[in-house]
Amino acid sequence: SQKIEQNSEALNIQEGKTATLTCNYTNYSPAYLQWYRQDPGRGPVFLLLIRENEKEKRKERLKVTFDTTLKQSLFHITASQPADSATYLCALPMEYGNKLVFGAGTILRVKS
Amino acid sequence: DSGVTQTPKHLITATGQRVTLRCSPRSGDLSVYWYQQSLDQGLQFLIQYYNGEERAKGNILERFSAQQFPDLHSELNLSSLELGDSALYFCASRAAGSSYNEQFFGPGTRLTVL
Repeated sequence: SQKIEQNSEALNIQEGKTATLTCNYTNYSPAYLQWYRQDPGRGPVFLLLIRENEKEKRKERLKVTFDTTLKQSLFHITASQPADSATYLCALPMEYGNKLVFGAGTILRVKS
Repeated sequence: DSGVTQTPKHLITATGQRVTLRCSPRSGDLSVYWYQQSLDQGLQFLIQYYNGEERAKGNILERFSAQQFPDLHSELNLSSLELGDSALYFCASRAAGSSYNEQFFGPGTRLTVL
């Protein structure tokens, strides 16, 4: 089964800097990868999707890369703000069927 | 607001009891997914329904069951509750017509078993 690894330690950065979060996966190569944001006690919110034939995707201050050779996705938030503080989850489709496997998430803290 | 609704927001009950969690997907979405999130397990997929039919099962215990009704709302039934069942339970609906399974999550039900 697919295993997903995200930085288990929280990422602490200064406001205005770029935050970079990592998502590594094993086993089969997924057709796409998704990133979600989750605030404490609330449901995850879909942010971005990147397909296997896309190297990079951007949405406002967010950028996602997808390296199928390294089996890795990087999630960048540029000009970070304290409001960006949250847990960020990556998710991949299971090998069969329309189910997602979620990583454990990385906590991002942006300090002013 | 994702458009997915869940009730109740909080539920406190005792071991051995049975509870029902309710979810309504976004208007037009036919799929409902249920997830359990506990501190040590992360977000775990439980079960999926599509237009009233069960489509996929994940790590769902035999004590748990679900159904989706003709109006597309779904209920997750948890019985013979144990302390370890305390968690956040989320439902999500999949965007209708989506090929990439973007999911929209409800606010969750926090279950506490004492």
